[in-house]
Amino acid sequence: GNSVTQMEGPVTLSEEAFLTINCTYTATGYPSLFWYVQYPGEGLQLLLKATKADDKGSNKGFEATYRKETTSFHLEKGSVQVSDSAVYFCALDSGNTGKLIFGQGTTLQVKP
Amino acid sequence: NAGVTQTPKFQVLKTGQSMTLQCAQDMNHNSMYWYRQDPGMGLRLIYYSASEGTTDKGEVPNGYNVSRLNKREFSLRLESAAPSQTSVYFCASSAGTTANTEAFFGQGTRLTVV
Repeated sequence: GNSVTQMEGPVTLSEEAFLTINCTYTATGYPSLFWYVQYPGEGLQLLLKATKADDKGSNKGFEATYRKETTSFHLEKGSVQVSDSAVYFCALDSGNTGKLIFGQGTTLQVKP
Repeated sequence: NAGVTQTPKFQVLKTGQSMTLQCAQDMNHNSMYWYRQDPGMGLRLIYYSASEGTTDKGEVPNGYNVSRLNKREFSLRLESAAPSQTSVYFCASSAGTTANTEAFFGQGTRLTVV
């Protein structure tokens, strides 16, 4: 079946450090891929998405590239801020139905 | 600017009690979803409704029922709560078209069953 695997957290970084959160997936066909972010006490918000191979999603300095050959969608940011501290979820939608399959989430803590 | 609104935000139930979680969206979305979030497991789909009048099971439907009351509202009912249903519940909605499947989430309901 379809699944998403994210790197284990928590990830602790100093401000202005480079961030990578790994995400790999298993799916039939050509799923759409998403990164959602959950700030403390809030619901999930869409951070970025990519709908086909080699697409790059980007938002707020975050980027992720849809790599079909490695079935990956790693999240990167060149310089993190304290305000980026949150839980990040990788997700896929295999049938463009809006039904999402999530990874387990990765907690990011950025220290000043 | 409400988006997806869930009530209540917090609830404590005793084993065997029943309750209904309410969800409403004001974005005229066709599709609505209920997820549960458990530590180390991400979010898992309980039920969804592709359009008004239809509902279908997701990955973890046992112990739950849903009602799509109208286009705006999608409720989740626990008939006889169990400690295993202690979780954070999120409602979400999306336009439901293949061109636009972005999901918008409510702020969640933290449910504890004792």
